[in-house]
Amino acid sequence: KAGVTQTPRYLIKTRGQQVTLSCSPISGHRSVSWYQQTPGQGLQFLFEYFSETQRNKGNFPGRFSGRQFSNSRSEMNVSTLELGDSALYLCASSSGKGGETQYFGPGTRLLVL
Amino acid sequence: GESVGLHLPTLSVQEGDNSIINCAYSNSASDYFIWYKQESGKGPQFIIDIRSNMDKRQGQRVTVLLNKTVKHLSLQIAATQPGDSAVYFCAEISGGSYIPTFGRGTSLIVHP
Repeated sequence: KAGVTQTPRYLIKTRGQQVTLSCSPISGHRSVSWYQQTPGQGLQFLFEYFSETQRNKGNFPGRFSGRQFSNSRSEMNVSTLELGDSALYLCASSSGKGGETQYFGPGTRLLVL
Repeated sequence: GESVGLHLPTLSVQEGDNSIINCAYSNSASDYFIWYKQESGKGPQFIIDIRSNMDKRQGQRVTVLLNKTVKHLSLQIAATQPGDSAVYFCAEISGGSYIPTFGRGTSLIVHP
């Protein structure tokens, strides 16, 4: 079974631009979660989508948004990029049932200049 | 203001030694625990899990121990190899929650 895939793997943007990242979950998984990982803050939860609905949300500003499609693929968007948005963005998928393992993709490395 | 870096605890071992990585979890209601391994430039990789009705679970070269009394989780790696060098995270999930809470991670360095 193929794992979680994320595209693109690397991105360089400038301040003020916007970016869209994509995640394809493991086949059969209906939940997709997004995380931001930085050396300074560790792994921080952004939001989780299940059946095309945002089911859980972390403590990030509204510049961070996401969506999920009927095939469970998910995208996240960051608008008006700031230097502090430079990070590794990780997507994780799970069955969507409570108390189950999340499986991570390789991440998208975003650098904001 | 300037952000404070997250200084990870570091465990340095020699190849062939056994490694023990510890994690204190916060929520006494947590009933499912996972260990992840993250190599440089990669996403976290599932290693092993354990539910709260168990206190020990073994995998290939890895063992997870759970002490609910003191809310402590440990990962034991037998015969540690250079390829085990990575950051190891514990994660806890409580009562059917959908989102795990991650520990800060421990950096394991294996010297040949």
